[in-house]
Amino acid sequence: DSGVTQTPKHLITATGQRVTLRCSPRSGDLSVYWYQQSLDQGLQFLIQYYNGEERAKGNILERFSAQQFPDLHSELNLSSLELGDSALYFCASSADLNSSYEQYFGPGTRLTVT
Amino acid sequence: AQTVTQSQPEMSVQEAETVTLSCTYDTSESDYYLFWYKQPPSRQMILVIRQEAYKQQNATENRFSVNFQKAAKSFSLKISDSQLGDAAMYFCAYRSSGNTPLVFGKGTRLSVIA
Repeated sequence: DSGVTQTPKHLITATGQRVTLRCSPRSGDLSVYWYQQSLDQGLQFLIQYYNGEERAKGNILERFSAQQFPDLHSELNLSSLELGDSALYFCASSADLNSSYEQYFGPGTRLTVT
Repeated sequence: AQTVTQSQPEMSVQEAETVTLSCTYDTSESDYYLFWYKQPPSRQMILVIRQEAYKQQNATENRFSVNFQKAAKSFSLKISDSQLGDAAMYFCAYRSSGNTPLVFGKGTRLSVIA
């Protein structure tokens, strides 16, 4: 158990809908990363937050957004869902911005868009 | 941009034997970190081993060791005395120094034959 929690574990929804994925980092970790794992694109970085502020953006679609709250949990919002958004979404946390700190991954949320 | 290449989509090994998974990366940086992650059928991302680029000594963790060749930009993972529980997808990942996310290879699926 990495100490990172993600809810829900599974989500099935229809095209055009909007969903919210939730992540709680390890106790004390300030930095949260979101990654998407799809069959054709592999594991890709989406976005990073540090202590409530956005710090880095990767291949995140405009239909996707995220935020980190004062209690440091983070939410990833996916809207106008398409079939191609079906993927495993991971959240990872690390203690600080220093790259020597490990990133610990949550169990992921499997999103299926039908 | 940094890239990570895993040239072996699938590998298999007999139980108790040794197997080596290959990884090459492309970067112009001198300071970075390299990782091997294991993803079993549960889909959890588990850190297997890490290597700091400034360290010449190859990292080892029990039955897992790496062969880090900085000049060749190669980072292979050796698994000794393979066990059935080692069967999983293995991802090689790169991280620059500073505030950067992980860049993953496409993965190698390892099967262990009893």
